[in-house]
Amino acid sequence: GAVVSQHPSWVICKSGTSVKIECRSLDFQATTMFWYRQFPKQSLMLMATSNEGSKATYEQGVEKDKFLINHASLTLSTLTVTSAHPEDSSFYICSASRVSYEQYFGPGTRLTVT
Amino acid sequence: GESVGLHLPTLSVQEGDNSIINCAYSNSASDYFIWYKQESGKGPQFIIDIRSNMDKRQGQRVTVLLNKTVKHLSLQIAATQPGDSAVYFCAEGQGGGKLIFGQGTELSVKP
Repeated sequence: GAVVSQHPSWVICKSGTSVKIECRSLDFQATTMFWYRQFPKQSLMLMATSNEGSKATYEQGVEKDKFLINHASLTLSTLTVTSAHPEDSSFYICSASRVSYEQYFGPGTRLTVT
Repeated sequence: GESVGLHLPTLSVQEGDNSIINCAYSNSASDYFIWYKQESGKGPQFIIDIRSNMDKRQGQRVTVLLNKTVKHLSLQIAATQPGDSAVYFCAEGQGGGKLIFGQGTELSVKP
């Protein structure tokens, strides 16, 4: 149990376009979902926390207008990278949680902006 | 700001040996810590956790030690196997269920 999926697993887009990444909890209802970004050989950096039906809480330094997060249901959260640029190329990972600190991670989405 | 860090960025061990991965944390108020394993191109995988009211917890082939006096956390892997090769992260629980990840240690197991 506690499986989290992400779609797509990888995406290549042109600079200036927007990309949407989906995160789904497949077999449980997640009260909270988290979005992380990870650059090569680096740690996971928390971008934002989202609760179903409310606005996401962004970490300091993360542009909320660039990284749009929607948490429409207890099993789905989406991250949209708007007007993507090459520096946005990264590995984006989501996690889903039903109780405090218990986070189940998705497999990640590799974004490459050309 | 507060951070969780690791002493060693890379660790190479012989198959069958024990591995010890270390982590220093700075928030003395933290009460929950987790170790994750991340294989290349995948999301983190839970290994073991420990609460601050404990100093040791054991799982299958893994042991986590917590020293609150010096704010140090370690992960011990017994009889390390090639399948243990990965990057290991410690994470510290923050308010609101958030986790703050340490820098990571890359474990390489030589056959």
